[in-house]
Amino acid sequence: DGGITQSPKYLFRKEGQNVTLSCEQNLNHDAMYWYRQDPGQGLRLIYYSQIVNDFQKGDIAEGYSVSREKKESFPLTVTSAQKNPTAFYLCASSIVVGEGYTFGSGTRLTVV
Amino acid sequence: SQQGEEDPQALSIQEGENATMNCSYKTSINNLQWYRQNSGRGLVHLILIRSNEREKHSGRLRVTLDTSKKSSSLLITASRAADTASYFCATGQGAQKLVFGQGTRLTINP
Repeated sequence: DGGITQSPKYLFRKEGQNVTLSCEQNLNHDAMYWYRQDPGQGLRLIYYSQIVNDFQKGDIAEGYSVSREKKESFPLTVTSAQKNPTAFYLCASSIVVGEGYTFGSGTRLTVV
Repeated sequence: SQQGEEDPQALSIQEGENATMNCSYKTSINNLQWYRQNSGRGLVHLILIRSNEREKHSGRLRVTLDTSKKSSSLLITASRAADTASYFCATGQGAQKLVFGQGTRLTINP
């Protein structure tokens, strides 16, 4: 079955560490996105990529980095510069930017 | 930047009743979409309505769009316990990323 796989489901990070969240899709979608969701809140865009080897900052990119070396993969690194990283992170993809997103099941990151 | 705003923030109804959620937005759009999120899970795309459409149906879902009032509504008919979730509207502006609202938490009581 086609879909998006995010791993791990739960992640714990110590202060000062960088961590990388994985996102893989087998839908042959060109566009991929990373969102952050805080409790009881909506989604805020971190980064998005319309095509391989290209990506743009979203509304809250500071403290995060991404790469898009393969069409299927769009990993997100949460760096030590991100001061409040505890949140639920969602990856999504679409055929066309801005239409009909398919979401992964999310990664819950907690700073300990 | 938040574009869509859902109303109400929370809604609790009895099973079998209809549920209506509203979404207002500020700027011109190309399309408006509704998504559902079960607790602790990813979002699921429900329906997309384009700016030149006024109403769209999908099973028990009915979406309306009024571009003059910059608003949309999502109606779920004959609600079921499995409809309990958060519902988000998202606005698309051409070949641009979607902007999501804060969501409506819907609870269906048996």
